[in-house]
This record gives sequence, structure tokens and C-alpha cells, in this order.
Amino acid sequence: GAVVSQHPSRVICKSGTSVKIECRSLDFQATTMFWYRQFPKQSLMLMATSNEGSKATYEQGVEKDKFLINHASLTLSTLTVTSAHPEDSSFYICSARDRGQSSYNEQFFGPGTRLTVL
Amino acid sequence: RKEVEQDPGPFNVPEGATVAFNCTYSNSASQSFFWYRQDCRKEPKLLMSVYSSGNEDGRFTAQLNRASQYISLLIRDSKLSDSATYLCVVNFDAGGTSYGKLTFGQGTILTVHP
Repeated sequence: GAVVSQHPSRVICKSGTSVKIECRSLDFQATTMFWYRQFPKQSLMLMATSNEGSKATYEQGVEKDKFLINHASLTLSTLTVTSAHPEDSSFYICSARDRGQSSYNEQFFGPGTRLTVL
Repeated sequence: RKEVEQDPGPFNVPEGATVAFNCTYSNSASQSFFWYRQDCRKEPKLLMSVYSSGNEDGRFTAQLNRASQYISLLIRDSKLSDSATYLCVVNFDAGGTSYGKLTFGQGTILTVHP
């Protein structure tokens, strides 16, 4: 159980285009999902916290108008990178917390999306 | 100062060796602590939670020292398959927008060789 999927797993796009990444909890309901970014040889950095039915909370330094997050249902959150630039190239990983789980601190991670902006 | 600091390594050890990783965290109000494992170009996977009393899971032993704000991971009898990056992760739950937020260390690279 507790499987999180991401789509696409890899995307290459031209500078200036927008890219949407989906994060789904497959066998549980996730009231909260988290979006992380990981640059090469660096650790995961939290970008934003997404709560179902409400606006996402962005970490300091993350532009909310550039990284649009929508969490429309208990099993789906999307991250849209708008007007992507080469410096946005990174590994984007989502995680989700199981609404019904007693250990509320555990997060289940998706397999990640590798974005390359040319 | 980083919120979670780890020695990045790399650690290169032979099979069967015992290796220890250390981690310090800056927020004394941190509440939950974890070790995650991340393989190259993959997502992190939970290795084990870390409890104040210390805990063991097979060849892996985790320790927490709240007074020193220090966490450790000990791997005994290393296997080739243990090669990965080990991430020290801390949770500080202030409620509201900080609920469940995990802060990751930069990771310690381990390579186990034959």
C-alpha cells in the first residue's frame, strides 16, 4: 500500500513553455501533498505544501506565480512550471501523507519527474 | 547554519565493514527524526524512524541525542546493496502551514565495494 505515482517521469521542453507534473496517491487519500526540488548533488528542498481544497503554502524564495500548484482532489496534486527556463531543470518529487494513517509524520514519495529545459 | 547538517562523504567501505553516519540539527524544537535512503536518480525511501531510546532494525541502528541535537546511523556488516545516499531528515511541526514539514540534510554517500 501507500503508493504515490508521478507523471511524466521525464520531460524535455523548450525554454518559455509550461510543464505540468501530476502526483497521485494510488491507494490512499492524501489531504496533504508536498512538492520538492532536487538539484544535482544537493538534497531535497521543499517548494510548497499542498492541501486539498485550499491554496498551497510556498516556501520562502519559491515563486507562487511560476510554480502553480493545484490540489483538487484527495488523490491528485499538480505542479505546473510556467515559462520554464534552463535553471528550472531539476528533479521534482512529490510526497503525500496518508489521511488515515496513525503515524502522521510519514510521507510517501513519488518516483520523481526529471525536467530538462533547453 | 544549515537546519540539518551531514558529512557528505563519500564513504567507501569494503563489504562486511561497519560504518557510522552523523547528523546534527539546529532546531531544538524538532519533533521527529528519520533516516531515508536515496538511490541514484530515484526518490528517497524511508529507512527507519529514530527514537530517543535508540532503535535497531536488523543491521541498522539509529540513535538520537536531543541534548546535543545529534542523530546517528550505524550500519553493520555492510552489503553491496547498501550503496546509496543516506539522508538525515527532521520534522518540526508548528501546526498550521508548518504541519508535517520535513527538512532534509544534504545526504551522505556510501559506496560498499567487494
